[in-house]
Amino acid sequence: AQTVTQSQPEMSVQEAETVTLSCTYDTSESDYYLFWYKQPPSRQMILVIRQEAYKQQNATENRFSVNFQKAAKSFSLKISDSQLGDAAMYFCAYQGGTGANSKLTFGKGITLSVRP
Amino acid sequence: EPEVTQTPSHQVTQMGQEVILRCVPISNHLYFYWYRQILGQKVEFLVSFYNNEISEKSEIFDDQFSVERPDGSNFTLKIRSTKLEDSAMYFCASSENSGGAEADTQYFGPGTRLTVL
Repeated sequence: AQTVTQSQPEMSVQEAETVTLSCTYDTSESDYYLFWYKQPPSRQMILVIRQEAYKQQNATENRFSVNFQKAAKSFSLKISDSQLGDAAMYFCAYQGGTGANSKLTFGKGITLSVRP
Repeated sequence: EPEVTQTPSHQVTQMGQEVILRCVPISNHLYFYWYRQILGQKVEFLVSFYNNEISEKSEIFDDQFSVERPDGSNFTLKIRSTKLEDSAMYFCASSENSGGAEADTQYFGPGTRLTVL
């Protein structure tokens, strides 16, 4: 079974600074997808970024980028120029590629606070 | 921008009662999911649904749970006899069937907070 580990329960960053959130996963599959979801206090799950395992290029979405290390099974999220609105819980998630639209497996999440 | 909607936003029920949580997936999406998040814990998969059938379900999704697509727009999760431990946030998600080899991104609704007393 696949597992997703987010070992840091909390992190804090100064506004306008950069922060990196860590995630590791375990799988025996070669094809899969990785995601970061944001959950603000409203508790809605919002997609931040997606990475396909077969792509060597790291995904980027505006101020959000990932560092995907397939051999190390590591998938970290970098938030540049942090804003107060970035304060939220961030979940790393894994989706196997063996079946179309298979389930997401989530990590425990990390709470990010942004200091003004 | 299309979005997944869920009703109600908060449901309070007595232990042993039946509840139905409702979801309206994004209109051109064909895969539907339910996840739950017990307060302070991680999001857990319950069930996926495609072509009017359950595609996959987790160990959590026992006989007390059922899903249905009663019409062309709604997707429901029914809990037959609620227990205290069913108190959680329940998220509906949907993804389109783009027909390619890649999995499609799942988009989540805002969740229904279920409180069982």
